[in-house]
Amino acid sequence: DAKTTQPPSMDCAEGRAANLPCNHSTISGNEYVYWYRQIHSQGPQYIIHGLKNNETNEMASLIITEDRKSSTLILPHATLRDTAVYYCIVRVANTGNQFYFGTGTSLTVIP
Amino acid sequence: AAGVIQSPRHLIKEKRETATLKCYPIPRHDTVYWYQQGPGQDPQFLISFYEKMQSDKGSIPDRFSAQQFSDYHSELNMSSLELGDSALYFCASSLGPADRGPNTGELFFGEGSRLTVL
Repeated sequence: DAKTTQPPSMDCAEGRAANLPCNHSTISGNEYVYWYRQIHSQGPQYIIHGLKNNETNEMASLIITEDRKSSTLILPHATLRDTAVYYCIVRVANTGNQFYFGTGTSLTVIP
Repeated sequence: AAGVIQSPRHLIKEKRETATLKCYPIPRHDTVYWYQQGPGQDPQFLISFYEKMQSDKGSIPDRFSAQQFSDYHSELNMSSLELGDSALYFCASSLGPADRGPNTGELFFGEGSRLTVL
């Protein structure tokens, strides 16, 4: 599975949009981009995933570049409860293989 | 909705003792994954099972073993415990590749079992 690169930390003002970037320049054609987050010592929580089209759900939006080498997770109106470590993961969907978490981005939402 | 259940939530052991962690996947999920997360570290993949067979293997020590049973629950057995085994252990479950379409594959995680080795 392709590896990802994320900034180690970011801050965001409460109520503003949080834009979390991820580089995955070695992604292959059948690999999806998944985003998870982990709030302190809790189990990682699924946020969203996509293949090549932009995706939106009740939690976030996922913007994937046309060449698929990078993506951005957007939390449209960040709240204090969004403070967490955010992981970008690329993986072939139809396998029982591992999700490789990497180092993630520690997002701090500031009041 | 039912989630992934892990037990026990907390466990304290002495060095060289053994420990067993249990994971009950979401109903209908036939794939389970085990992760270890040390203090201040990212989750590290240990092992996964699909339909009771080992599917993938990560950085699982030889002192650890795991299996998936006929009801799809899984157990992680840890022997000769060391201080460095103190960590959060997460289990996750998903639908297996034969049971889902191409646009799925997300893992659902339990709340973890915290192992402390003294």
